[in-house]
Amino acid sequence: NAGVTQTPKFRVLKTGQSMTLLCAQDMNHEYMYWYRQDPGMGLRLIHYSVGEGTTAKGEVPDGYNVSRLKKQNFLLGLESAAPSQTSVYFCASSYMWTGKAGELFFGEGSRLTVL
Amino acid sequence: AQTVTQSQPEMSVQEAETVTLSCTYDTSESDYYLFWYKQPPSRQMILVIRQEAYKQQNATENRFSVNFQKAAKSFSLKISDSQLGDAAMYFCAYNSGGSNYKLTFGKGTLLTVNP
Repeated sequence: NAGVTQTPKFRVLKTGQSMTLLCAQDMNHEYMYWYRQDPGMGLRLIHYSVGEGTTAKGEVPDGYNVSRLKKQNFLLGLESAAPSQTSVYFCASSYMWTGKAGELFFGEGSRLTVL
Repeated sequence: AQTVTQSQPEMSVQEAETVTLSCTYDTSESDYYLFWYKQPPSRQMILVIRQEAYKQQNATENRFSVNFQKAAKSFSLKISDSQLGDAAMYFCAYNSGGSNYKLTFGKGTLLTVNP
């Protein structure tokens, strides 16, 4: 059972380059999320999706775009990478919204370095 | 806006002993949900325990239990009989329920378990 899979696991970019992080889940979850984790900052929500074809902004959306064309996939794009986007990115999914019985299932993270 | 504060950046405990991690939060809601997540060195986040604010009884999961003080807006995690595998970063998180899909995380407490 793969759960939540993120690719790539590691990536080094130069300032101004673009890239896409792919998140795939095989649990038929409706909700998917992208978080970034920075030292001393905890996890901050970038964007999220409550179903196929939907996306919404989280706490720190600037500089990122997302798409949810298929229920099982949630893509995070950086159009023009900046050093401030150096971080570890986590994808997560859940059956239902996090408040009730639902819980977040996380991927292993993707470490992105922007030079 | 809701905030989650973990005042202990680092904690340590001897194997087999008990440790308590602190968390406070700020909210004007009466119904909400609180969580503790664990992030081991492998980086993958996993849910440890959850608490619904409308429940007076403290949640318990094996060696993990919480002390939920609603009036004080405090939500501490107690780990009994600490094991080497408990060493990890622990994050407290809050969700206000309803249609709010956002999980707000604290900055984390790094727990070291000494043999």
